[in-house]
Amino acid sequence: EVQLVQSGGGLVRTEGSLTLSCAASGITFASAWMTWVRQAPGKGLEWVGHMKSKTDGGTREYAAAVKGRFTISRDDSKITMFLEMSSLKIEDTGVYYCAASSGWDQASDIWGQGTMVIVSS
Amino acid sequence: DTQMTQSPSTLSASVGDRVTITCRASQSISTRLAWYRQRPGKAPNLLIYDASTLQSGVPSRFSGSGSGTEFTLTITSLQPDDFATYYCQQYNFYSTFGQGTKLEIK
Repeated sequence: EVQLVQSGGGLVRTEGSLTLSCAASGITFASAWMTWVRQAPGKGLEWVGHMKSKTDGGTREYAAAVKGRFTISRDDSKITMFLEMSSLKIEDTGVYYCAASSGWDQASDIWGQGTMVIVSS
Repeated sequence: DTQMTQSPSTLSASVGDRVTITCRASQSISTRLAWYRQRPGKAPNLLIYDASTLQSGVPSRFSGSGSGTEFTLTITSLQPDDFATYYCQQYNFYSTFGQGTKLEIK
């Protein structure tokens, strides 16, 4: 079955750190663009960043709001992507989704179930 | 940054109606645009990619058009499941989502 299963998330203090995981199955991981998207409570979707497929160079790119604080990485042996978050702010609170593009286009056709991150002082 | 502006923010319609949502990019993005539907408490679901290509498994009542800076999503014969929030997303340079259009039952 093609799916992304997320883990991690929870409550963290401001300036703290947290790592989210996204385990893939049924996807050709090396050729998929992997993306993180978040959604603050009651708000719209916000692109956080992505990791290009290995075949497209594997470059990682980030939204300005998280650049320098968040890092996307992957473990191919575990077919898992990670989002390492540090220096967390109140405004980082929200549901975080991982997503993948399984086809030739970069639009995300496979999504994880989402995981909640709450940053509190 | 490429900004994406969706309109309207809210749309009221009835089952069986035809509706159109517009997305405007602040600069040309060719056809590198996707549309998603998000139901409350759920992850988004890809409907259209490359501006006009219907994602596999998505009903043909959904269609997309446009290129450059102006794009539309049209839904014909609205079904109860379609009352949700819709987002456009550009992926020409990094990525940006529109602010969303909430489709409500009239």
